[in-house]
Amino acid sequence: GENVEQHPSTLSVQEGDSAVIKCTYSDSASNYFPWYKQELGKRPQLIIDIRSNVGEKKDQRIAVTLNKTAKHFSLHITETQPEDSAVYFCAAQDTGRRALTFGSGTRLQVQP
Amino acid sequence: GAGVSQSPSNKVTEKGKDVELRCDPISGHTALYWYRQRLGQGLEFLIYFQGNSAPDKSGLPSDRFSAERTGESVSTLTIQRTQQEDSAVYLCASSFLAGGPLADTQYFGPGTRLTVL
Repeated sequence: GENVEQHPSTLSVQEGDSAVIKCTYSDSASNYFPWYKQELGKRPQLIIDIRSNVGEKKDQRIAVTLNKTAKHFSLHITETQPEDSAVYFCAAQDTGRRALTFGSGTRLQVQP
Repeated sequence: GAGVSQSPSNKVTEKGKDVELRCDPISGHTALYWYRQRLGQGLEFLIYFQGNSAPDKSGLPSDRFSAERTGESVSTLTIQRTQQEDSAVYLCASSFLAGGPLADTQYFGPGTRLTVL
């Protein structure tokens, strides 16, 4: 089955700096890669996703890149703000199994 | 419109008791998923329902876990003879157009925090 590795487990940046979180996946059949943000005690919220027919997607300060050959994808947050502090999860979904396989999460702390 | 809802929000039970967790998906969403999130960890898939198809139960950790869904509406997750290691947040998600050529976005409920004493 699919296996998703996520790094780093914790990340601390100064407000205004950029943050990058990286994930690798094992199943080459995976074709959908969402990123979720989870604040303490809250539900995961989708912040951006990418499908395997594109290499990069941007939404304001957030971008995701996908390298299918290397089987890795990354989340980039620019101009970080304190409200970006949360746990971020990457996930992968393959065509044969609809469920998402999640990474172990990255706790992002943005220092004001 | 209303999002995914779950009840109860918190459940404390004694070891050995059965518990039932409820999920109301977004109206019109054909697919429904259950995940488990242990403290400080990622989400683990449990079970997936899509319309009237047989559910994908491949993530259920033991035969103490079962789930049902009535048509394309409410789902219940039942844990029999609860153990302390069952303590976790149980999250439900739903999505639209599962099974189509494009993967579908999953929207999560607030979860049920289960504590087994």
